[in-house]
Amino acid sequence: DTAVSQTPKYLVTQMGNDKSIKCEQNLGHDTMYWYKQDSKKFLKIMFSYNNKELIINETVPNRFSPKSPDKAHLNLHINSLELGDSAVYFCASSPHGSSGSRTGSYNEQFFGPGTRLTVL
Amino acid sequence: GQQLNQSPQSMFIQEGEDVSMNCTSSSIFNTWLWYKQDPGEGPVLLIALYKAGELTSNGRLTAQFGITRKDSFLNISASIPSDVGIYFCAGQLRGTYKYIFGTGTRLKVLA
Repeated sequence: DTAVSQTPKYLVTQMGNDKSIKCEQNLGHDTMYWYKQDSKKFLKIMFSYNNKELIINETVPNRFSPKSPDKAHLNLHINSLELGDSAVYFCASSPHGSSGSRTGSYNEQFFGPGTRLTVL
Repeated sequence: GQQLNQSPQSMFIQEGEDVSMNCTSSSIFNTWLWYKQDPGEGPVLLIALYKAGELTSNGRLTAQFGITRKDSFLNISASIPSDVGIYFCAGQLRGTYKYIFGTGTRLKVLA
């Protein structure tokens, strides 16, 4: 199936630990994103990569470090986990090329199934 | 962080009724996307809008891109129980890769 996939689906860990979430898309898209969805279901963008280059870096603690080994993968590493990091993290991808100004289906964005992170 | 104003926040409707929800902003967007999210799942893209004034349908769903490029609405006609979920709008800021999401409309359909 063509899709955006994430692993793991659930992640339960202790405060202070370091953990990673992986994302892969086989849609041939150039741009990938990480979003955080809090308990009120608000979706906030965290990072975006276009062809392995970081293009969006919102106000996120530097304990969060994204890495894109190639344009089909975007991983999220979180150091020294805190209680407030508990949330659902979504990966997404979009066809976007080298410019953000293209119109049409290049701007459609597709989400993965999410990773529910619980920090105890 | 930025969020779009989305209303209503939640609504209960009877099966068969039509539903309307909208998103407004002070920012200008060059794309509007509408999503539905079921519990435990990721948002699923329903409709994409690319031009000011554009009206697009997908089955019982109809969405419009506002003329000012600052708003959009989604209509669901003849609602059914499986329409239950959270609906989000998302606007792509002009000239960027960044999407701003609405606060969500929680729809509950009474059979």
